[in-house]
Parts: sequence; structure tokens; C-alpha cells
Amino acid sequence: KAGVTQTPRYLIKTRGQQVTLSCSPISGHRSVSWYQQTPGQGLQFLFEYFSETQRNKGNFPGRFSGRQFSNSRSEMNVSTLELGDSALYLCASSLSGRAGKETQYFGPGTRLLVL
Amino acid sequence: QQQVKQSPQSLIVQKGGISIINCAYENTAFDYFPWYQQFPGKGPALLIAIRPDVSEKKEGRFTISFNKSAKQFSLHIMDSQPGDSATYFCAASSGTSGTYKYIFGTGTRLKVLA
Repeated sequence: KAGVTQTPRYLIKTRGQQVTLSCSPISGHRSVSWYQQTPGQGLQFLFEYFSETQRNKGNFPGRFSGRQFSNSRSEMNVSTLELGDSALYLCASSLSGRAGKETQYFGPGTRLLVL
Repeated sequence: QQQVKQSPQSLIVQKGGISIINCAYENTAFDYFPWYQQFPGKGPALLIAIRPDVSEKKEGRFTISFNKSAKQFSLHIMDSQPGDSATYFCAASSGTSGTYKYIFGTGTRLKVLA
């Protein structure tokens, strides 16, 4: 079974631009979560989607948004990029998103650099 | 109250030694405590996890010790090997109230010297 895939793997943008990242979960997984990973902060939860609905959201500004499609693939968008948005963005999928009840599998991440 | 504090930030251990990473939490609603291992260029992968109804869980060379009263848990890597060199994250989650999210520690970069 293929793992979680994320595209693109690397991205360079300039301040003020917007970016869209894509995540394809493991086949059969309906929950997709997004995390921002930075050296000083570790992994910080952005949001979680299940069956095209956002069920939970972390403490990030409204510039960060996401969506999920009927095939469970998910995208996240960051508008008006700031230098501090430079990070590794990780996507994770699980069967139904029941934290602690099932394993969450991570993709390799998209490394975003904002200049 | 949602934080998970992890220490140390980095750790260097000789091959064959014991690596110990500690985490502490405040939220007593947390009921699941996984540890993730991340190699460069890869996403984190679940290593081992524990629930608060047990004080210790062992899988191979990896052991989680859990102290519910102190709200602390730790990862012990016995007979550490160079291949264990990676970043380790502790995390916590709650299965109640539909939170559906994990709170992660800030990570520990482990280097095992050959």
C-alpha cells in the first residue's frame, strides 16, 4: 500500500505570494491532518479534515486554510506569505482520525522557503 | 495547559549506551502518549506508545516509562546504535471531546557515536 504522498517536496516563494500544498492520504484513510514543523517549535497542529469537513483547527492565523476533496486528498493554502512561514509542512493520514485509537501516518513533508 | 515539554533538545550517546528523553504534560485529559522517530528528509513515524493505565511498555530496545502522578513520561533506548540517530518527538492526545489532534513536544536530536 502506498504511503502518504505530498507535493511538491520543495518550494521557494517570496513574501506576499500565496502557496498551495497537496497531500494524498493512504488509500482508505479519510482523516488528514496538517502540521507545521520548525526547529524551535517542533510540530504544531494546523487543522484536521474528515469527509471534506474541517473538524479541528490549531492556533494559526486565517492566512492558513485547507480543504479536503471527496477522494480524501487534501490541500492547504497559505496566503500573503511571511518570512516566518518558512517551515516543513507535514501531512498525516489515518482511517478516521481518532487520536489515540489508530495510527497516524506522516508524509515526507513539503519544505517551504519564503524569501 | 496544552503544552508538552520535552528535554533535552539534543543528546549525544556512545554506541551501546542508554539514551533517555523526557516529556512532561499538564492536561490530565491526555490519555495516549506516542513517541515518533524522524530521520532527515522523512516524516515522523510512530515508534512506540503508551496509555496511562500502565507504567511501562517495552518494544525491543525501546521502553516508555510513565509516571501518572508526576505527569511525566520518558523514552529509553537501550544499547543505542548509530542507526538510532534521529529526531525524537513525544506527543499526547485525548480521545475524549473529539479533539482529534496531537500535541507534540519540540523534539530531541539524538546522535549515537560509533
